[in-house]
Amino acid sequence: EAQVTQNPRYLITVTGKKLTVTCSQNMNHEYMSWYRQDPGLGLRQIYYSMNVEVTDKGDVPEGYKVSRKEKRNFPLILESPSPNQTSLYFCASSLSGSGGLYGYTFGSGTRLTVV
Amino acid sequence: QQQVKQSPQSLIVQKGGISIINCAYENTAFDYFPWYQQFPGKGPALLIAIRPDVSEKKEGRFTISFNKSAKQFSLHIMDSQPGDSATYFCAASSLLWETSGSRLTFGEGTQLTVNP
Repeated sequence: EAQVTQNPRYLITVTGKKLTVTCSQNMNHEYMSWYRQDPGLGLRQIYYSMNVEVTDKGDVPEGYKVSRKEKRNFPLILESPSPNQTSLYFCASSLSGSGGLYGYTFGSGTRLTVV
Repeated sequence: QQQVKQSPQSLIVQKGGISIINCAYENTAFDYFPWYQQFPGKGPALLIAIRPDVSEKKEGRFTISFNKSAKQFSLHIMDSQPGDSATYFCAASSLLWETSGSRLTFGEGTQLTVNP
């Protein structure tokens, strides 16, 4: 089944404790991206990657890191999480290009709580 | 700065009624306007999309209306059903930069509830 897999689905952590949210897609998609979803703000892009070793900042990159060493994986790293990073996170991928013409396939989300 | 503004934030409709969600954009370079549907506990999924060369696109009970001069587009759900209850996001992007960093910009989302 073609899908984007995120882990974990739920995570509660403490301020300052480094964490990684994994994202993997099995569709050989070139484009991958991370979004956060907050009430009243919609989906805001954190980082994106056009292909292996090519990453760039989205609209809200502060406090996050990413890497794209393999085409299928695009982990999101929070080096020192803070409470304002409590949110619902989504990984998305697309066949090629970033404008969404081929549709974005989203993972099921990771609900992160930082206390 | 929200480049795509969506309203209303929430919407309650009776079964069989028409649901209407509106979006407005600022960037005249946008030339691709999809709508995504999100059920609880799931990620958003592409529902329907339109390019500005047409003023309307219909797929089943879902219709996008597009007004280029007003920089507005809307989603109409005819004969709304309880199974349509979900969060709907409009979005916009510029395909001119499809391979060089253009990205989907999403609206704030509309939580639709269709009562039986």
